[in-house]
Amino acid sequence: AQSVTQPDIHITVSEGASLELRCNYSYGATPYLFWYVQSPGQGLQLLLKYFSGDTLVQGIKGFEAEFKRSQSSFNLRKPSVHWSDAAEYFCAVVSSGSARQLTFGSGTQLTVLP
Amino acid sequence: DTAVSQTPKYLVTQMGNDKSIKCEQNLGHDTMYWYKQDSKKFLKIMFSYNNKELIINETVPNRFSPKSPDKAHLNLHINSLELGDSAVYFCASIAGTGNTEAFFGQGTRLTVV
Repeated sequence: AQSVTQPDIHITVSEGASLELRCNYSYGATPYLFWYVQSPGQGLQLLLKYFSGDTLVQGIKGFEAEFKRSQSSFNLRKPSVHWSDAAEYFCAVVSSGSARQLTFGSGTQLTVLP
Repeated sequence: DTAVSQTPKYLVTQMGNDKSIKCEQNLGHDTMYWYKQDSKKFLKIMFSYNNKELIINETVPNRFSPKSPDKAHLNLHINSLELGDSAVYFCASIAGTGNTEAFFGQGTRLTVV
Protein backbone atom coordinates (compact mmCIF):
# COMPACT_ATOMS: atom_id res chain seq x y z
CA ALA A 1 0.00 0.00 0.00
CA GLN A 2 1.21 3.49 -0.74
CA SER A 3 1.91 5.98 2.01
CA VAL A 4 3.24 9.47 2.56
CA THR A 5 5.17 10.71 5.56
CA GLN A 6 5.67 14.33 6.51
CA PRO A 7 7.95 14.14 9.53
CA ASP A 8 7.56 17.77 10.58
CA ILE A 9 4.23 18.58 12.17
CA HIS A 10 5.02 22.24 12.68
CA ILE A 11 7.77 24.48 11.31
CA THR A 12 8.45 28.10 12.23
CA VAL A 13 10.61 30.37 10.08
CA SER A 14 11.27 34.08 9.96
CA GLU A 15 10.05 36.09 7.02
CA GLY A 16 12.73 36.18 4.34
CA ALA A 17 14.34 32.95 5.49
CA SER A 18 14.55 29.85 3.34
CA LEU A 19 12.19 26.95 3.79
CA GLU A 20 12.30 23.22 3.24
CA LEU A 21 9.39 20.93 4.03
CA ARG A 22 10.11 17.22 3.99
CA CYS A 23 8.07 14.51 2.34
CA ASN A 24 8.82 10.81 2.00
CA TYR A 25 6.64 8.40 0.09
CA SER A 26 6.25 4.68 -0.28
CA TYR A 27 4.99 3.38 -3.62
CA GLY A 28 6.01 0.42 -5.75
CA ALA A 29 6.11 2.08 -9.14
CA THR A 30 6.91 5.57 -10.36
CA PRO A 31 4.80 7.85 -8.23
CA TYR A 32 2.82 10.89 -9.20
CA LEU A 33 3.65 13.43 -6.48
CA PHE A 34 2.02 16.66 -5.43
CA TRP A 35 2.21 19.46 -2.92
CA TYR A 36 -0.99 21.21 -1.86
CA VAL A 37 -1.39 24.23 0.39
CA GLN A 38 -4.34 25.03 2.61
CA SER A 39 -4.77 28.47 4.15
CA PRO A 40 -6.92 28.72 7.29
CA GLY A 41 -10.56 28.08 6.51
CA GLN A 42 -9.83 27.50 2.85
CA GLY A 43 -9.74 24.59 0.45
CA LEU A 44 -6.74 22.88 -1.09
CA GLN A 45 -4.64 24.63 -3.70
CA LEU A 46 -2.15 22.79 -5.87
CA LEU A 47 1.38 24.18 -5.53
CA LEU A 48 3.20 21.83 -7.88
CA LYS A 49 3.25 18.36 -9.33
CA TYR A 50 5.66 15.72 -10.55
CA PHE A 51 4.88 12.99 -13.06
CA SER A 52 8.15 12.26 -14.81
CA GLY A 53 11.15 13.94 -16.42
CA ASP A 54 13.07 16.73 -14.78
CA THR A 55 13.30 15.96 -11.09
CA LEU A 56 13.23 19.62 -10.08
CA VAL A 57 9.78 21.05 -10.58
CA GLN A 58 8.67 24.63 -10.26
CA GLY A 59 5.34 25.63 -8.86
CA ILE A 60 3.30 28.67 -8.04
CA LYS A 61 4.22 31.33 -5.47
CA GLY A 62 7.95 30.71 -5.92
CA PHE A 63 7.92 27.14 -4.60
CA GLU A 64 9.91 24.27 -6.03
CA ALA A 65 10.30 20.61 -5.18
CA GLU A 66 12.87 17.98 -5.98
CA PHE A 67 12.08 14.34 -6.62
CA LYS A 68 14.79 11.99 -5.36
CA ARG A 69 13.99 8.40 -6.19
CA SER A 70 16.93 7.01 -4.20
CA GLN A 71 15.63 8.68 -1.06
CA SER A 72 11.91 8.29 -1.84
CA SER A 73 11.58 11.98 -1.16
CA PHE A 74 9.83 14.97 -2.66
CA ASN A 75 10.84 17.95 -0.52
CA LEU A 76 9.33 21.37 -0.98
CA ARG A 77 11.52 24.45 -0.93
CA LYS A 78 11.28 28.19 -1.12
CA PRO A 79 14.30 30.52 -1.00
CA SER A 80 12.57 33.39 0.80
CA VAL A 81 9.37 32.96 2.76
CA HIS A 82 6.68 35.62 2.87
CA TRP A 83 4.22 36.12 5.73
CA SER A 84 1.41 35.06 3.39
CA ASP A 85 2.99 31.60 3.09
CA ALA A 86 1.78 30.70 6.58
CA ALA A 87 -0.53 27.75 5.99
CA GLU A 88 -0.84 23.98 6.14
CA TYR A 89 1.13 22.08 3.52
CA PHE A 90 0.27 18.61 2.30
CA CYS A 91 2.32 16.20 0.27
CA ALA A 92 0.37 13.61 -1.71
CA VAL A 93 0.91 10.62 -3.98
CA VAL A 94 -1.39 9.24 -6.65
CA SER A 95 -1.09 5.72 -7.95
CA SER A 96 -0.58 5.62 -11.71
CA GLY A 97 -3.00 2.74 -12.33
CA SER A 98 -6.58 3.10 -13.50
CA ALA A 99 -7.94 2.95 -9.94
CA ARG A 100 -6.36 6.18 -8.81
CA GLN A 101 -5.59 6.08 -5.11
CA LEU A 102 -4.79 9.52 -3.71
CA THR A 103 -2.98 9.45 -0.38
CA PHE A 104 -1.99 12.47 1.71
CA GLY A 105 0.67 13.00 4.29
CA SER A 106 -0.38 14.29 7.69
CA GLY A 107 0.52 17.85 6.81
CA THR A 108 3.05 20.42 8.03
CA GLN A 109 1.88 23.64 9.58
CA LEU A 110 4.07 26.59 8.66
CA THR A 111 4.27 29.64 10.90
CA VAL A 112 6.07 32.73 9.60
CA LEU A 113 7.50 35.20 12.11
CA PRO A 114 7.77 38.89 11.19
CA ASP B 1 -17.18 27.48 -14.12
CA THR B 2 -16.27 25.69 -10.91
CA ALA B 3 -14.54 22.39 -11.70
CA VAL B 4 -15.62 20.57 -8.53
CA SER B 5 -18.51 22.01 -6.58
CA GLN B 6 -19.87 20.92 -3.23
CA THR B 7 -23.06 21.96 -1.55
CA PRO B 8 -23.66 23.13 1.05
CA LYS B 9 -20.53 24.95 2.16
CA TYR B 10 -21.69 25.02 5.77
CA LEU B 11 -24.01 22.60 7.51
CA VAL B 12 -25.11 22.85 11.13
CA THR B 13 -27.40 20.15 12.39
CA GLN B 14 -28.47 18.33 15.51
CA MET B 15 -27.35 14.91 16.65
CA GLY B 16 -29.44 12.11 15.25
CA ASN B 17 -30.38 13.92 12.06
CA ASP B 18 -29.73 12.64 8.53
CA LYS B 19 -27.99 14.91 6.07
CA SER B 20 -26.51 14.83 2.57
CA ILE B 21 -23.62 16.62 0.93
CA LYS B 22 -23.61 16.88 -2.84
CA CYS B 23 -20.62 16.92 -5.14
CA GLU B 24 -20.47 17.52 -8.86
CA GLN B 25 -17.53 17.76 -11.25
CA ASN B 26 -17.61 19.08 -14.80
CA LEU B 27 -14.16 17.87 -15.77
CA GLY B 28 -15.17 14.53 -17.27
CA HIS B 29 -13.09 12.71 -14.65
CA ASP B 30 -13.54 9.01 -14.00
CA THR B 31 -12.61 8.92 -10.33
CA MET B 32 -14.13 10.81 -7.43
CA TYR B 33 -13.32 10.82 -3.73
CA TRP B 34 -14.63 11.87 -0.36
CA TYR B 35 -12.16 12.95 2.31
CA LYS B 36 -12.74 13.88 5.92
CA GLN B 37 -10.52 16.52 7.51
CA ASP B 38 -10.64 16.56 11.27
CA SER B 39 -9.54 19.26 13.67
CA LYS B 40 -5.93 18.08 13.41
CA LYS B 41 -6.08 18.78 9.66
CA PHE B 42 -5.45 15.17 8.66
CA LEU B 43 -7.07 14.31 5.31
CA LYS B 44 -8.52 10.84 5.61
CA ILE B 45 -9.88 9.07 2.55
CA MET B 46 -13.39 7.79 3.06
CA PHE B 47 -14.51 6.58 -0.34
CA SER B 48 -13.27 6.40 -3.89
CA TYR B 49 -15.45 5.76 -6.92
CA ASN B 50 -14.28 4.94 -10.42
CA ASN B 51 -16.90 5.17 -13.17
CA LYS B 52 -19.70 4.95 -10.60
CA GLU B 53 -18.24 1.85 -8.95
CA LEU B 54 -16.94 1.80 -5.39
CA ILE B 55 -13.19 1.24 -5.36
CA ILE B 56 -12.13 2.24 -1.88
CA ASN B 57 -14.22 2.06 1.26
CA GLU B 58 -12.05 2.78 4.21
CA THR B 59 -13.01 2.06 7.77
CA VAL B 60 -15.98 4.35 7.90
CA PRO B 61 -19.15 3.79 9.95
CA ASN B 62 -21.94 2.40 7.82
CA ARG B 63 -23.93 5.50 8.71
CA PHE B 64 -21.98 7.05 5.85
CA SER B 65 -23.24 6.02 2.43
CA PRO B 66 -21.91 7.37 -0.85
CA LYS B 67 -24.13 7.52 -3.89
CA SER B 68 -22.90 7.99 -7.44
CA PRO B 69 -25.86 8.42 -9.80
CA ASP B 70 -23.51 9.14 -12.69
CA LYS B 71 -19.84 9.71 -13.33
CA ALA B 72 -20.09 13.43 -12.61
CA HIS B 73 -21.72 13.16 -9.19
CA LEU B 74 -20.73 11.62 -5.88
CA ASN B 75 -23.00 12.46 -2.99
CA LEU B 76 -22.44 11.62 0.65
CA HIS B 77 -25.36 10.73 2.87
CA ILE B 78 -24.91 10.54 6.62
CA ASN B 79 -27.46 8.92 8.91
CA SER B 80 -27.88 9.45 12.64
CA LEU B 81 -25.29 12.18 12.89
CA GLU B 82 -22.97 12.14 15.90
CA LEU B 83 -20.84 14.86 17.50
CA GLY B 84 -17.71 13.15 16.20
CA ASP B 85 -18.87 13.60 12.63
CA SER B 86 -18.13 17.30 12.91
CA ALA B 87 -15.38 17.98 10.40
CA VAL B 88 -14.70 19.44 6.97
CA TYR B 89 -15.57 17.08 4.14
CA PHE B 90 -13.84 17.45 0.79
CA CYS B 91 -14.89 16.03 -2.53
CA ALA B 92 -12.27 15.57 -5.24
CA SER B 93 -11.94 14.13 -8.72
CA ILE B 94 -9.15 12.97 -10.96
CA ALA B 95 -8.85 11.65 -14.50
CA GLY B 96 -8.56 7.89 -14.84
CA THR B 97 -5.55 8.09 -17.09
CA GLY B 98 -2.78 10.47 -17.96
CA ASN B 99 -0.69 12.89 -16.00
CA THR B 100 -3.06 15.04 -14.03
CA GLU B 101 -3.70 16.18 -10.53
CA ALA B 102 -6.78 15.86 -8.37
CA PHE B 103 -9.17 18.77 -8.22
CA PHE B 104 -10.92 19.59 -4.97
CA GLY B 105 -14.18 21.14 -3.99
CA GLN B 106 -14.16 24.01 -1.52
CA GLY B 107 -15.18 21.75 1.35
CA THR B 108 -18.27 21.39 3.50
CA ARG B 109 -17.92 22.31 7.15
CA LEU B 110 -20.27 20.05 9.07
CA THR B 111 -21.04 20.95 12.67
CA VAL B 112 -23.12 18.57 14.73
CA VAL B 113 -24.61 20.07 17.89
